[in-house]
Amino acid sequence: GENVEQHPSTLSVQEGDSAVIKCTYSDSASNYFPWYKQELGKGPQLIIDIRSNVGEKKDQRIAVTLNKTAKHFSLHITETQPEDSAVYFCAASIENNRLAFGKGNQVVVIP
Amino acid sequence: GAVVSQHPSRVICKSGTSVKIECRSLDFQATTMFWYRQFPKQSLMLMATSNEGSKATYEQGVEKDKFLINHASLTLSTLTVTSAHPEDSSFYICSARDATRGNEQFFGPGTRLTVL
Repeated sequence: GENVEQHPSTLSVQEGDSAVIKCTYSDSASNYFPWYKQELGKGPQLIIDIRSNVGEKKDQRIAVTLNKTAKHFSLHITETQPEDSAVYFCAASIENNRLAFGKGNQVVVIP
Repeated sequence: GAVVSQHPSRVICKSGTSVKIECRSLDFQATTMFWYRQFPKQSLMLMATSNEGSKATYEQGVEKDKFLINHASLTLSTLTVTSAHPEDSSFYICSARDATRGNEQFFGPGTRLTVL
């Protein structure tokens, strides 16, 4: 089955700097890759996603890149702000419209 | 758009009782809903997939008789934790998929279950 790995597990950045989180997946059939942001005690919020026919997608300060050959995709957050502090989960689509999630990455933005 | 609600947001119950959690898609029709469980500082674990009008499909290791799922309409799915025990205490989160938007899953705010 699909195996999604996420690195690093924890990332601390100074406010204003960029943060990059990488995920790898194993199933070449996966064709949809969303990123979710989860704040403490809340449900995950979809922040950006990418499909396998696209290499990069950007939405203001957030971007996602996909390398299908290497089976990895990354989340890029520029000009980080304290409110970006949260746990970020990557996921990859698997059969029957399900998602396989990574273990999550705690991002801490230091003011 | 794409708002999903859950009720209740938190519940405390005694061991042996049953608890029902509702998941609603407020502004779209959800052909498929998913139920996840999340332990502290861990990832989301998919429990089951619920399709409107049909039986839920459970992931390996999830007891279908303990976690009853009903998806009676395109906007409502319920999860009932039967004969709850302290080890069932967890954060239960649903998500809903709008078939017109492809693979996107939109998550509810979660329900914190504590079994005493």
